[in-house]
Amino acid sequence: DVKVTQSSRYLVKRTGEKVFLECVQDMDHENMFWYRQDPGLGLRLIYFSYDVKMKEKGDIPEGYSVSREKKERFSLILESASTNQTSMYLCASSSGAGATEAFFGQGTRLTVV
Amino acid sequence: AQSVTQLDSQVPVFEEAPVELRCNYSSSVSVYLFWYVQYPNQGLQLLLKYLSGSTLVESINGFEAEFNKSQTSFHLRKPSVHISDTAEYFCAVSGGGYQKVTFGTGTKLQVIP
Repeated sequence: DVKVTQSSRYLVKRTGEKVFLECVQDMDHENMFWYRQDPGLGLRLIYFSYDVKMKEKGDIPEGYSVSREKKERFSLILESASTNQTSMYLCASSSGAGATEAFFGQGTRLTVV
Repeated sequence: AQSVTQLDSQVPVFEEAPVELRCNYSSSVSVYLFWYVQYPNQGLQLLLKYLSGSTLVESINGFEAEFNKSQTSFHLRKPSVHISDTAEYFCAVSGGGYQKVTFGTGTKLQVIP
């Protein structure tokens, strides 16, 4: 079974802190994604990566950056956390091009105080 | 550009009654369509997908969805719901490169005993 693992289920950080959200997948998938999920807004794509060291902005990249140094790991970075970044963050992966499904992690609920 | 509209944010239904969750999409290219389900405190799981071929697709737990190109819809149906179907359901479309997937805002299905 494909497994996408997010390092934390719950995280509380202070405004201005640098925050790292880690995601690891074990199926050698080329594509990895970071979404944030907010009530009434569904899932919005922050960044995605289709290869090591490659990244593309999604729909809401402001305030975020990403890193993909190894194929299995995709990190989301909040350079200076703000309260409006309090949200559920979901990592996903999928294989190559073509219409394949995305596999999701359990999510990280981040609260910025 | 592609987008997804889920017309109902919440759908209450009695157990063993039928249900339809509505989804409309827009895309400038050929699309692949998905329904994902999210149970409380979990990540998203693929429920079913339309890639090509038969316009009616089914899941293993009794849900089905029909791709209607003329109406740009991909509504999800189940003839008889169970308590365990209580969850949030997301419609998604993919048609761009590198498998960028756009999600709708979600519909919460509440099954009432």
